[in-house]
Amino acid sequence: AQSVTQLGSHVSVSEGALVLLRCNYSSSVPPYLFWYVQYPNQGLQLLLKYTSAATLVKGINGFEAEFKKSETSFHLTKPSAHMSDAAEYFCAVSAGNQFYFGTGTSLTVIP
Amino acid sequence: EPEVTQTPSHQVTQMGQEVILRCVPISNHLYFYWYRQILGQKVEFLVSFYNNEISEKSEIFDDQFSVERPDGSNFTLKIRSTKLEDSAMYFCASKGGTYQPQHFGDGTRLSIL
Repeated sequence: AQSVTQLGSHVSVSEGALVLLRCNYSSSVPPYLFWYVQYPNQGLQLLLKYTSAATLVKGINGFEAEFKKSETSFHLTKPSAHMSDAAEYFCAVSAGNQFYFGTGTSLTVIP
Repeated sequence: EPEVTQTPSHQVTQMGQEVILRCVPISNHLYFYWYRQILGQKVEFLVSFYNNEISEKSEIFDDQFSVERPDGSNFTLKIRSTKLEDSAMYFCASKGGTYQPQHFGDGTRLSIL
C-alpha cells in the first residue's frame, strides 16, 4: 500500500529564512514522489517530481527536495522564503495510475 | 504550456439536482482523473479513467457519480442527485504516461444549497 505523511499541518517562517516541509512515504514498490503547491482559490501546481533518477530534485520557484530511501522521506526545502511562497503544499506518491496525497502543510511567511 | 481547463469555475446547485462538471485535459494525455477537496481538508481521489473506461474509483465515487468522455476533448463528472455534502472543490487532472505527473486544472467550486 502507498501513503504519504506530512508532519506539521502549519509551518511559519520568517521572510528570508529556510523553508523545510516534511514528507514521509510508504510504498510497497519503488515510489514516484511529487510536491504540489496550491495557492488560494487555485488548483494544484506541480513543484517537482522524483522518478528514480537523481535523488536531489530541483523544482520551480527555488524549491528542491531530496529522496532518502533509508529514511523513506522526501522533504521539500527552499533556502530563503519569499512572501509569495505562502500557500498550501501537498506531497504525493504515485502507484500506477493513482496518486495518494498527504494532508497538506500550510506555509505562512512572516515579513 | 498546455493546461487542463475546467468549467465552470463556480457552480451553485439546489440539493437533489443533477450537475455536470466539465474538463478539457491536455490534448495528448491518456489518463484522466477527478479529485475532490472539501473546504479545509485534503485532496481526495474520486476516479481514474483510461482507454474509455474507469480504471479505479474510490469509495466516495458511488452510484450517484459518473464520468464520461463524450468526444475527443472533454471529460465530464456528473453527480446525479446532489447532496449538501457534495459541496467541495472538484479538480480534474490528466497525465501522458503511467509514471508522469498529473497536471491539474484550477478546479470547479461546487456549492449545494
